[in-house]
Amino acid sequence: TQLLEQSPQFLSIQEGENLTVYCNSSSVFSSLQWYRQEPGEGPVLLVTVVTGGEVKKLKRLTFQFGDARKDSSLHITAAQPGDTGLYLCAGAKAAGNKLTFGGGTRVLVKP
Amino acid sequence: GAGVSQSPSNKVTEKGKDVELRCDPISGHTALYWYRQSLGQGLEFLIYFQGNSAPDKSGLPSDRFSAERTGGSVSTLTIQRTQQEDSAVYLCASSPRTPGDNTEAFFGQGTRLTVV
Repeated sequence: TQLLEQSPQFLSIQEGENLTVYCNSSSVFSSLQWYRQEPGEGPVLLVTVVTGGEVKKLKRLTFQFGDARKDSSLHITAAQPGDTGLYLCAGAKAAGNKLTFGGGTRVLVKP
Repeated sequence: GAGVSQSPSNKVTEKGKDVELRCDPISGHTALYWYRQSLGQGLEFLIYFQGNSAPDKSGLPSDRFSAERTGGSVSTLTIQRTQQEDSAVYLCASSPRTPGDNTEAFFGQGTRLTVV
């Protein structure tokens, strides 16, 4: 059982549609990060959220950290083919603890 | 170098042979992680170093797997008597401070290991 559960595992949408990826846990995290990984590359950090209820926006991407700091979501508005990739959430339960990754959500945006 | 460097980028080995995978983290980064990723899957944690010590090696799948880090820098992941199920991409990441301090993990491009 993953400490961080991501859903859905796979998402295929048309260009211009919106999508939401979820990252859930029964544990509280001190911070949560979202990474995107493209084929043949390592994951690259998109955002870090640290405060319960926090919402961060990066252009068409909106990240939310749950009030209880157990879950997070990533929403993409008007998806583009360049958004295609594997989206990974990662959390640390406390300072000094390792980063734990979710199982990932593979997103395919078709032109 | 500017980023995390892993070598080799690809390794094909025969079942039963030993392999060594190398990771050069970003200079000055104290935290170093090894993860394993099967095709199309998420990241499976293997081991985490803080400096030269490994406070968490709970993800190593068997005693055939070991890792060390010397001089607070380069790390080597060794797999003995490789099996076909060891085939995967092995990713290394480093981080400038203690994990959990909201710091970014910087990843290398990985070593693709194929056991035939």
